[in-house]
Amino acid sequence: DGGITQSPKYLFRKEGQNVTLSCEQNLNHDAMYWYRQDPGQGLRLIYYSQIVNDFQKGDIAEGYSVSREKKESFPLTVTSAQKNPTAFYLCASSIGSRETQYFGPGTRLLVL
Amino acid sequence: KQEVTQIPAALSVPEGENLVLNCSFTDSAIYNLQWFRQDPGKGLTSLLLIQSSQREQTSGRLNASLDKSSGRSTLYIAASQPGDSATYLCAVLGNNFNKFYFGSGTKLNVKP
Repeated sequence: DGGITQSPKYLFRKEGQNVTLSCEQNLNHDAMYWYRQDPGQGLRLIYYSQIVNDFQKGDIAEGYSVSREKKESFPLTVTSAQKNPTAFYLCASSIGSRETQYFGPGTRLLVL
Repeated sequence: KQEVTQIPAALSVPEGENLVLNCSFTDSAIYNLQWFRQDPGKGLTSLLLIQSSQREQTSGRLNASLDKSSGRSTLYIAASQPGDSATYLCAVLGNNFNKFYFGSGTKLNVKP
């Protein structure tokens, strides 16, 4: 059953803590993306990767980091430098950078 | 930088009505435009993708049109049903970019 999975569904972060959000896809897609969605707003691009071992900053990369060591995995770390991390985080993938994007179910990050 | 606007932000209609959702973008040099559906607390589902060379795309009760010169796209939903209730987002990919820019969405409520 092909698709994109994100875990966990809910994540709680304490002050000064780094947390990592998981994104896995078995669609054999080359490109993967991380977006942030705030209430009543559209999606904003955090990071994207067009190929393994390569990634680029999006519009709001400060306070976040990623890695792309495997084609199927693109984890996102929210660092303590991100002062307003509460949001809904969405991962997506596509065959190529200009093709239809397929989204995971999302992770909601809350700050304790 | 590309800016994408969706008006209205929210729309409530009785079941059975035909309706139109609007999307406008500031830079007409686009590669394609995509319409998505998002249910509360969920990821995005792709509905229709229109290439820059196309004028419209159809899928079932949905029809999306594109007018590049005026920077506009519309999503037409025929014979609306309560199950169509969701937030609809449009996203634009520019010729010079490898990333989509999203509107903030139109929240649709179809009343039984």
